Amino acid sequence: KAGVTQTPRYLIKTRGQQVTLSCSPISGHRSVSWYQQTPGQGLQFLFEYFSETQRNKGNFPGRFSGRQFSNSRSEMNVSTLELGDSALYLCASSRGWDTQYFGPGTRLTVL
Amino acid sequence: KNEVEQSPQNLTAQEGEFITINCSYSVGISALHWLQQHPGGGIVSLFMLSSGKKKHGRLIATINIQEKHSSLHITASHPRDSAVYICAVGGSQGNLIFGKGTKLSVKP
Repeated sequence: KAGVTQTPRYLIKTRGQQVTLSCSPISGHRSVSWYQQTPGQGLQFLFEYFSETQRNKGNFPGRFSGRQFSNSRSEMNVSTLELGDSALYLCASSRGWDTQYFGPGTRLTVL
Repeated sequence: KNEVEQSPQNLTAQEGEFITINCSYSVGISALHWLQQHPGGGIVSLFMLSSGKKKHGRLIATINIQEKHSSLHITASHPRDSAVYICAVGGSQGNLIFGKGTKLSVKP
């Protein structure tokens, strides 16, 4: 069974731009969660989607948004990028109530 | 005060030693997770538990709900166990709240 994939793996953007990250979950998994990891704050929960609906949301500004498609693939969008958005963005998939399987992450650098 | 506290922050051990990493939390939880992150970023979920004890190979995780405390034990540690170990708790809003992690280095 293929694991969770994330694209792109690396991304460089400049302040003010927007970015879209993609996550393909394990086949059969209906839940996709997104996390941000920075050296200062560690891992923080962004949001979770289950069957195309946002089920939970962390404490991030509205510039961070996401969606999930009918095939459970998910995208995360960050608008008006700031230097502090530089981070490793991880997604994880699960059946919705059990162990999460993490993708390799997308490393975003904002210049 | 962080909602999830891990100790120690850093741990160096000799190959073969028994290792314990602790996690205390202050919120009500639905489940507690232990994660392993290797250099380069990849995260592997080791355990998800809501009570008692789980064992997988040389790894053992325990949780005491009344004391809001969990431990991760590694028996017969090996250099390949070197990684950051992260405790995370499932909060009441369905989110995960993470500890800062314990960086483990096992020397041959």
